[in-house]
Amino acid sequence: DTAVSQTPKYLVTQMGNDKSIKCEQNLGHDTMYWYKQDSKKFLKIMFSYNNKELIINETVPNRFSPKSPDKAHLNLHINSLELGDSAVYFCASSQTGGNQETQYFGPGTRLLVL
Amino acid sequence: GDSVTQMEGPVTLSEEAFLTINCTYTATGYPSLFWYVQYPGEGLQLLLKATKADDKGSNKGFEATYRKETTSFHLEKGSVQVSDSAVYFCALSAPNYQLIWGAGTKLIIKP
Repeated sequence: DTAVSQTPKYLVTQMGNDKSIKCEQNLGHDTMYWYKQDSKKFLKIMFSYNNKELIINETVPNRFSPKSPDKAHLNLHINSLELGDSAVYFCASSQTGGNQETQYFGPGTRLLVL
Repeated sequence: GDSVTQMEGPVTLSEEAFLTINCTYTATGYPSLFWYVQYPGEGLQLLLKATKADDKGSNKGFEATYRKETTSFHLEKGSVQVSDSAVYFCALSAPNYQLIWGAGTKLIIKP
């Protein structure tokens, strides 16, 4: 069973389009994250939700909007896609409390904006 | 603020060579420290962690020791294999359930 899954794995789209990426975790974790990884492999936190509440909202264009319908899901919607949005987007989850800071990552969504 | 500095890559080694990837950190408090590995085309996965000073994390032949006095968490392996080729990330735990990430070090192992 996949612990953290993302769909789609690949996304090729035109500038100006709107797209969504979905993430689901079956680990029973209470915290979920979205990261952006650029072509140099640098990892940047975008958002984090704990028990469906937004707790990290880094400096990200407001074209990016996360939504957490329940603790197991965190989706990312992107409006008016731009060339610079091309990257790999990773979802991750973790369980708070004690020494439980380990984050578990999904396989990534490779977004290419043309 | 808290930060993690890793040695720049790529690091290129021959099979069976000894590996060290340096990681130093700046933090207030006593964070946990992590090494994650990202194989080509995949997501990141935890390689090892240490939660307090002098702890040693180990997994798959890799080791790292939490050194508070030198604020370091260097990754080592005695004999690398081609299959160890990947990008390695050092990270530390921070408030708000965050991890603070290093820039990643690409490791290339040649047969």
